[in-house]
Amino acid sequence: AQTVTQSQPEMSVQEAETVTLSCTYDTSESDYYLFWYKQPPSRQMILVIRQEAYKQQNATENRFSVNFQKAAKSFSLKISDSQLGDAAMYFCASFAQGGSEKLVFGKGTKLTVNP
Amino acid sequence: DTGVSQDPRHKITKRGQNVTFRCDPISEHNRLYWYRQTLGQGPEFLTYFQNEAQLEKSRLLSDRFSAERPKGSFSTLEIQRTEQGDSAMYLCASSLDIGSGASTDTQYFGPGTRLTVL
Repeated sequence: AQTVTQSQPEMSVQEAETVTLSCTYDTSESDYYLFWYKQPPSRQMILVIRQEAYKQQNATENRFSVNFQKAAKSFSLKISDSQLGDAAMYFCASFAQGGSEKLVFGKGTKLTVNP
Repeated sequence: DTGVSQDPRHKITKRGQNVTFRCDPISEHNRLYWYRQTLGQGPEFLTYFQNEAQLEKSRLLSDRFSAERPKGSFSTLEIQRTEQGDSAMYLCASSLDIGSGASTDTQYFGPGTRLTVL
């Protein structure tokens, strides 16, 4: 079974600063993918970034990057130069290829960006 | 492409009534997923389809819940005899699986249907 744990229910950051959101996961599958999704208030879930487990290189997407530590089963999201529009719930999720092929989500981290 | 769409966006019903939600995936996507999200929680998997075949159902999906994807395009999720505990956001997502381990695996979500059972 897959599990995803986000230990920070809430985080805050000053505009233009950098913030890191934590995520740990567990899976018995060898082929899996990890995702960060953003859900603004009353708006739909948007993909932020994706990481294939077989890739050692950390994924980056503009101001968003991940620190993927496979041995530690850790997958943190770093947001650089934070903007007011980054304020949202952030969900970490895993998808195991060949196992139960569904996204398993953490409980989320609410990010507040202070002007 | 207009993305994943869901209808209705909001539904208020009385306990005991039946409700049906519709999801239209991204047109070329062959996989369609349903999730349920309650306040303050991450989405929880309910079921998914590969084309018209329903391949997996969660234990969360009681006998009162049924989902269909008759032509491999849009999907419906029906809840019979609704209960107050069914109040939640119902999310639909779609993805493209092209087999041979080459799936994109990335799921794109619709705006959701918020169900309130009085």
